[in-house]
Amino acid sequence: EAGVTQFPSHSVIEKGQTVTLRCDPISGHDNLYWYRRVMGKEIKFLLHFVKESKQDESGMPNNRFLAERTGGTYSTLKVQPAELEDSGVYFCASSQLSGGNEQYFGPGTRLTVT
Amino acid sequence: AQSVTQLGSHVSVSEGALVLLRCNYSSSVPPYLFWYVQYPNQGLQLLLKYTSAATLVKGINGFEAEFKKSETSFHLTKPSAHMSDAAEYFCAVSKLYRDDKIIFGKGTRLHILP
Repeated sequence: EAGVTQFPSHSVIEKGQTVTLRCDPISGHDNLYWYRRVMGKEIKFLLHFVKESKQDESGMPNNRFLAERTGGTYSTLKVQPAELEDSGVYFCASSQLSGGNEQYFGPGTRLTVT
Repeated sequence: AQSVTQLGSHVSVSEGALVLLRCNYSSSVPPYLFWYVQYPNQGLQLLLKYTSAATLVKGINGFEAEFKKSETSFHLTKPSAHMSDAAEYFCAVSKLYRDDKIIFGKGTRLHILP
């Protein structure tokens, strides 16, 4: 069974540009989460989808971040326009509904904004 | 509210020695507690999870953790360290019986000395 995949693995962009990160969850996992780790800090929650609906977006830092999950399968996280403080590793995780909250993480996308 | 404190951002142990990584949590509701591990250039992998069923939880690769409610602790141990255990370890908490965001500690990087 394939795990959670994320694309790209690395992205380097200039301040003011736009970047879109993609996450493909494990097949059949209706819960999808985005997290971020800024260098030197802890991993922090961004938002949670249940199927195609946003269940909790309390961790989204500001309106420059837009997450979608069309059709309840893969998800995208767009940052527009990117700022220096957006640099970090963005993790996606997925889990089954009522599956004991066992979240399976992808390898992450390392975003560098210069 | 929930939070996690990991004592020591870096821990070094000799190969074959006991591994002890400390974690204290705070939670206003019954918690799930987790330990995740991140090997270099990989995503987070679940080591073990406390679900209220048993206070001593055994995980993969010989790790175990004990839930102590009176001390609000969930320390991770392994009797004998291997070189392959070198990684970053994260203690984390979420709400029991809920598909919910996970709150992470800052992580402890484990170094194994030959």
